[in-house]
Amino acid sequence: AQKVTQAQTEISVVEKEDVTLDCVYETRDTTYYLFWYKQPPSGELVFLIRRNSFDEQNEISGRYSWNFQKSTSSFNFTITASQVVDSAVYFCALSDRTGNQFYFGTGTSLTVIP
Amino acid sequence: GAGVSQTPSNKVTEKGKYVELRCDPISGHTALYWYRQSLGQGPEFLIYFQGTGAADDSGLPNDRFFAVRPEGSVSTLKIQRTERGDSAVYLCASSFLAGDTDTQYFGPGTRLTVL
Repeated sequence: AQKVTQAQTEISVVEKEDVTLDCVYETRDTTYYLFWYKQPPSGELVFLIRRNSFDEQNEISGRYSWNFQKSTSSFNFTITASQVVDSAVYFCALSDRTGNQFYFGTGTSLTVIP
Repeated sequence: GAGVSQTPSNKVTEKGKYVELRCDPISGHTALYWYRQSLGQGPEFLIYFQGTGAADDSGLPNDRFFAVRPEGSVSTLKIQRTERGDSAVYLCASSFLAGDTDTQYFGPGTRLTVL
């Protein structure tokens, strides 16, 4: 069975602090894909990153970075020097090799305090 | 280009009524997905279309829920005899190709409230 766990329900940080959002997944597939989406107050899910199970290289995009570790089944997301505009709910998601179904975690609500 | 659009943005209905929710995918995207997001939860898969056909409807909760995509573009999610438990945000997503895990791009959702 596919499952994604985001244990942090809510996080508050002060602007310019770094913050890491945790994501742990379960799957029996050897080929799978992991995603992070951002859901701002407007409600629309915004795609951030896709990573396949064969690529464990960490990725950095501006202030965002992702740490994928198959050994611990984790795909954590770090925001460096957080900004108020980063306030949103962040979802981690898992799909199998077909990509036909996404399994989402329950989300982490991030509040960045000015 | 334009993203996924969904109408209406909000729908309030009474228990037992019939509702239709519409999704316009990104132009050229062949795959279309419907999800339901309850308060404080992540989106839950309902159904996905490849072209005009429903390739996987395993997420539909019961036979009151039905979706169509007659011309392989716009899709309509139909809910009969609505119940208060159907209240949620219904999200639509599209991707260029199904399979090969192409990224799904989401619309803003329709917030359905059943009184």
